[in-house]
Amino acid sequence: DIQMTQSPSSLSASVGDRVTITCRASQGITNYLAWYQQKPGKVPNLLIYAASTLQSGVPSRFSGSGSGTDFTLTINSLQPEDVATYYCQTYNGPPRAFGPGTKVDIK
Amino acid sequence: EVQLVESGGGLVQPGGSLRLSCSASGFTFSSYTMHWVRQAPGKGLEYISAISSNGGSTYHVDSVKGRFTISRDNSKSTLYLQMSSLRPEDTAVYYCVKGPCSGDNCYFDYWGQGALVTVSS
Repeated sequence: DIQMTQSPSSLSASVGDRVTITCRASQGITNYLAWYQQKPGKVPNLLIYAASTLQSGVPSRFSGSGSGTDFTLTINSLQPEDVATYYCQTYNGPPRAFGPGTKVDIK
Repeated sequence: EVQLVESGGGLVQPGGSLRLSCSASGFTFSSYTMHWVRQAPGKGLEYISAISSNGGSTYHVDSVKGRFTISRDNSKSTLYLQMSSLRPEDTAVYYCVKGPCSGDNCYFDYWGQGALVTVSS
């Protein structure tokens, strides 16, 4: 089965900073990679699919890149409402594994 | 508007059984593969089960295989998860999830609010 890792596990940044989260797959998954945001006490929300396609309604400060095994989620100009845990997920067939998550806080 | 509403969660003793339901509306339920994802308290997301649009194909992750069974009733637009031989480590919020698929490649664009299952004596 494909395993997903994320780094860092947590980060603290200032409002307006550019934030980068990395996700790595244990084997190539082409671009079958999604990113989800889960705010405290809330349901996960789809941000990006196909590694770089922004889901409708998601602010343009979010962007994704990568293919194969290495992927990146970038938040340009971090906002207070971006405080959340971010998960990557491979959907290259089952088991559609999630990464362990990256918790983002405001400094 | 797409809605996924889970029910059936609660407190159950180790070794017990529980059936979760997910009532779907706002889309053509019978056209979509459906999934269950769970989240233990304070932990990350774990993908556990899927069922094809006509119910003919199912998938269960190894940690629940042989104990959990996913099913669906397209006439009622309802997804189910029958859970048996429950263990304390099955304690989690269980989410009903839908999303577009290209073959077996499915990501998730709608999530239910979740049903809390607590396995404890």
